[in-house]
Amino acid sequence: DTAVSQTPKYLVTQMGNDKSIKCEQNLGHDTMYWYKQDSKKFLKIMFSYNNKELIINETVPNRFSPKSPDKAHLNLHINSLELGDSAVYFCASSKYRQGETQYFGPGTRLLVL
Amino acid sequence: GESVGLHLPTLSVQEGDNSIINCAYSNSASDYFIWYKQESGKGPQFIIDIRSNMDKRQGQRVTVLLNKTVKHLSLQIAATQPGDSAVYFCAENRGQAGTALIFGKGTTLSVSS
Repeated sequence: DTAVSQTPKYLVTQMGNDKSIKCEQNLGHDTMYWYKQDSKKFLKIMFSYNNKELIINETVPNRFSPKSPDKAHLNLHINSLELGDSAVYFCASSKYRQGETQYFGPGTRLLVL
Repeated sequence: GESVGLHLPTLSVQEGDNSIINCAYSNSASDYFIWYKQESGKGPQFIIDIRSNMDKRQGQRVTVLLNKTVKHLSLQIAATQPGDSAVYFCAENRGQAGTALIFGKGTTLSVSS
């Protein structure tokens, strides 16, 4: 029954490491997103993909690289992790139409030590 | 800059009361608005949405009101229950398919028995 799933749920790592977060949706959507939620719970878009093509790339360091192997998956790879990358990362998906609801995954809590 | 904001960061109510959570937006071109509920440790969960050609929309125990004249959005929860305790976000969507949601800062609703 899981609609949008993310792994891992928790990720604790050292500064300088490289890590990946995976996202999968089984809703049949063709657009997927990554959002970052900071310690004050503010949610902000990072990337969006439609059918494996990048359509939004906000001002995000190029240490962050999204990869979409197919339209049901959007993974986020982060190189050279920094303390400021600690946050909760949410994947979301929607249909590719104007004014479509976005459905969110459970989040990945990243802590960089 | 333009943003979606909320009037109050916290709201405390008694069980059974009606709750009203407010949100102001600044972009008159926004055409789609969504309310999300985020419980502790979970991702944002869709509650209700409204398009700019509507003033009011009702769901189960929830009502969203849109006042385009003053660029104001509100979420009304009838007979608030302890399970309604969460952070509530308004979000707006501007324009084309696949575009990001712009989130407000969130209101924490606390319901006491």
